Amino acid sequence: GDSVTQMEGPVTLSEEAFLTINCTYTATGYPSLFWYVQYPGEGLQLLLKATKADDKGSNKGFEATYRKETTSFHLEKGSVQVSDSAVYFCAQGAGNNRKLIWGLGTSLAVNP
Amino acid sequence: GAGVSQSPSNKVTEKGKDVELRCDPISGHTALYWYRQSLGQGLEFLIYFQGNSAPDKSGLPSDRFSAERTGGSVSTLTIQRTQQEDSAVYLCASSLAGGTNQPQHFGDGTRLSIL
Repeated sequence: GDSVTQMEGPVTLSEEAFLTINCTYTATGYPSLFWYVQYPGEGLQLLLKATKADDKGSNKGFEATYRKETTSFHLEKGSVQVSDSAVYFCAQGAGNNRKLIWGLGTSLAVNP
Repeated sequence: GAGVSQSPSNKVTEKGKDVELRCDPISGHTALYWYRQSLGQGLEFLIYFQGNSAPDKSGLPSDRFSAERTGGSVSTLTIQRTQQEDSAVYLCASSLAGGTNQPQHFGDGTRLSIL
């Protein structure tokens, strides 16, 4: 069945380091892909999305490109900040994009 | 404006009891979703409501779980005869319309603990 696999955490980086969080998916069609973020003490919120192959989603300095050939949607940021410390979830749309299938989440801690 | 509101924020109950979890979506959002997040696992889709259409119940894990959405607004998730494996954080989300091209806005969740 459809699934999402993302790299296990926790990931610990120093401020201004480069970030990559890997995400791959399995799907029968071409789902929309998402990254959600949960900051400490807050609810889940959409970070970025891509709806078709080769689309690049971007927000707050984060980027992810929908790669159909590798079924991936890796999250990247060139220079992380302490305020980026959070749990990041990769997800795909399913059921005609009416519901989301989630990865397990990757915890990121950025140290000053 | 107000976000998605869930209540209670925490619920502790004994095995075998029934529980009701409430979700008040963002005003004007026609789509409402329930998810469950168990310890060490990702979010698991439970049920989806879109307007007046029949809900998508395909994620409900057993017939002890049910949900309703009255008047197209507030939703209640009911778990009957709770079991310890029901312990999880139950998240509600709403979106302006169905289909995931609309971002889902999440509440803070209800943390359910079954003793």
